Amino acid sequence: GEDVEQSLFLSVREGDSSVINCTYTDSSSTYLYWYKQEPGAGLQLLTYIFSNMDMKQDQRLTVLLNKKDKHLSLRIADTQTGDSAIYFCAETEGGSYIPTFGRGTSLIVHP
Amino acid sequence: DGGITQSPKYLFRKEGQNVTLSCEQNLNHDAMYWYRQDPGQGLRLIYYSQIVNDFQKGDIAEGYSVSREKKESFPLTVTSAQKNPTAFYLCASSIGTAGTQPQHFGDGTRLSIL
Repeated sequence: GEDVEQSLFLSVREGDSSVINCTYTDSSSTYLYWYKQEPGAGLQLLTYIFSNMDMKQDQRLTVLLNKKDKHLSLRIADTQTGDSAIYFCAETEGGSYIPTFGRGTSLIVHP
Repeated sequence: DGGITQSPKYLFRKEGQNVTLSCEQNLNHDAMYWYRQDPGQGLRLIYYSQIVNDFQKGDIAEGYSVSREKKESFPLTVTSAQKNPTAFYLCASSIGTAGTQPQHFGDGTRLSIL
């Protein structure tokens, strides 16, 4: 079955760039998503990318997709304390609309 | 503004008691979902519904039940058969069943055992 893997923690200094990585196993993945979860809240969609794209940029966020290695990354430029949260990678495969989520990466931003 | 409303935000259950978590959406979405979130385990799918009066079990449906009598509403009942119900429960919806449609989430209900 499909699987989505993320590292559990990432610590960065305020003002630096953060790179959160995700790997997936399903070669028929169609859409890949990044969600943000702040403490005690639900998940907020940040961005998503189609599998036929290599890169997508949206203000401070850059998503890179390496289909050959089944690797997805989310880069946050000029990371701020308000970016501290859990970031979830998710993917849907061709025939399904139900995403498979990774376990989430806790991003800690320190001064 | 459209969105998903979950209530209550905090809920306490006594032993042997059934409790119901509410989820209402005004996004006119066809599909709705319930997830359970435990620390370090990500999201696990409990039940989902594509249309009114129809729903399917997810990966961890045992001890839970749902109904979908209205498009806007998808309540989740945590029954006494669920022996470890303490968790954060998230409701989500999406426009339909096409893979392009990302999910929108409510703010969750935290359930604890008394």
